Amino acid sequence: GAGVSQSPRYKVAKRGQDVALRCDPISGHVSLFWYQQALGQGPEFLTYFQNEAQLDKSGLPSDRFFAERPEGSVSTLKIQRTQQEDSAVYLCASSPMREGYGYTFGSGTRLTVV
Amino acid sequence: SQQGEEDPQALSIQEGENATMNCSYKTSINNLQWYRQNSGRGLVHLILIRSNEREKHSGRLRVTLDTSKKSSSLLITASRAADTASYFCATGLYGGATNKLIFGTGTLLAVQP
Repeated sequence: GAGVSQSPRYKVAKRGQDVALRCDPISGHVSLFWYQQALGQGPEFLTYFQNEAQLDKSGLPSDRFFAERPEGSVSTLKIQRTQQEDSAVYLCASSPMREGYGYTFGSGTRLTVV
Repeated sequence: SQQGEEDPQALSIQEGENATMNCSYKTSINNLQWYRQNSGRGLVHLILIRSNEREKHSGRLRVTLDTSKKSSSLLITASRAADTASYFCATGLYGGATNKLIFGTGTLLAVQP
């Protein structure tokens, strides 16, 4: 597609509920990233995929967070047993795996845990 | 954790004036990038400067990089009301599993018409 698409745009979850956030990257982009952005802060790195391989998941805050990209295109970020501190905007970005290229970000999913 | 610190945290100027934002970072990098974020939207890539470059221009944007001081600046000339947004620097280090950008804390720019 022309850009990175994320869905849903907004998600309200009750505390303890599981959620799944979807990212459709730009076709052909090898690299895919997930970031978490709290209000008034810069994006914080969560995890990175190169094709279907998850090469870096050092930013995932707990084992309740899980990400996958099984066919090297669409990715899903899953949060189990959501907590209030999980409330944030979750941003997905993709990039061709060539040095010198910036990321293309989606508009994000705003997750509110009540 | 955030790699970069931006200065100032907030900046308010009049339309037509220049805006300068600064970024400091901590580790060695391959490149440094600047992004803009309008309220409630995703980030938009503005410009990338490699570690072996000192200055780069793109339209009304001018970026400088001083690797000895681990700092960068973004200058927006002849600002417009539409430039109102948050601006983030991000450092890139490519290679192996470390292919990720680390973002700074951002500068909130308000351009008054």
